[in-house]
Amino acid sequence: EAGVAQSPRYKIIEKRQSVAFWCNPISGHATLYWYQQILGQGPKLLIQFQNNGVVDDSQLPKDRFSAERLKGVDSTLKIQPAKLEDSAVYLCASSLGTGRTGELFFGEGSRLTVL
Amino acid sequence: GNSVTQMEGPVTLSEEAFLTINCTYTATGYPSLFWYVQYPGEGLQLLLKATKADDKGSNKGFEATYRKETTSFHLEKGSVQVSDSAVYFCALLTGGGNKLTFGTGTQLKVEL
Repeated sequence: EAGVAQSPRYKIIEKRQSVAFWCNPISGHATLYWYQQILGQGPKLLIQFQNNGVVDDSQLPKDRFSAERLKGVDSTLKIQPAKLEDSAVYLCASSLGTGRTGELFFGEGSRLTVL
Repeated sequence: GNSVTQMEGPVTLSEEAFLTINCTYTATGYPSLFWYVQYPGEGLQLLLKATKADDKGSNKGFEATYRKETTSFHLEKGSVQVSDSAVYFCALLTGGGNKLTFGTGTQLKVEL
């Protein structure tokens, strides 16, 4: 069974530029998550989708971050314009059901460096 | 609010040593508790879980017991191997919720 796929693995940009990350969850998984992991901290949930609807985006900085999951399968997370403090690893995860079991499957992450 | 506190790393042990990584939590209600592990170059993966007080989660020789009285979920292994070198994250999920709250992670390095 293929795991959660993310790309790109690494990205370096200058502040005020834009960047997009892509995620393809495990086939059949209804729920998709984007987490931000800043160095030395635990992952923090940015947004959660169930199918193509948003369940929770309370911690997404909506002035610069956006995410979509148009067909209920793969998803894109965009940052525009980027700030220095956005340097982090962006983790995508998926779960079979609604996520109430806490059993998430994570991708390897996309590491963003903002200069 | 909900939070998880883990012991700081890195933790360096010799092979076959006993491992304890401390985790305590603050939560409303009765959370489920988890340990996730991240091996070098890989994504986080679920190691074990416990859903109610006094439950013991176990996997790959690791164990953790849900202690409601001390609000703790410490991870233990009797004899670590070099292949256990990884970052370990404690996490909680509150009842009725579907958002995991993670600790900051503890890096474990096991040497020969």
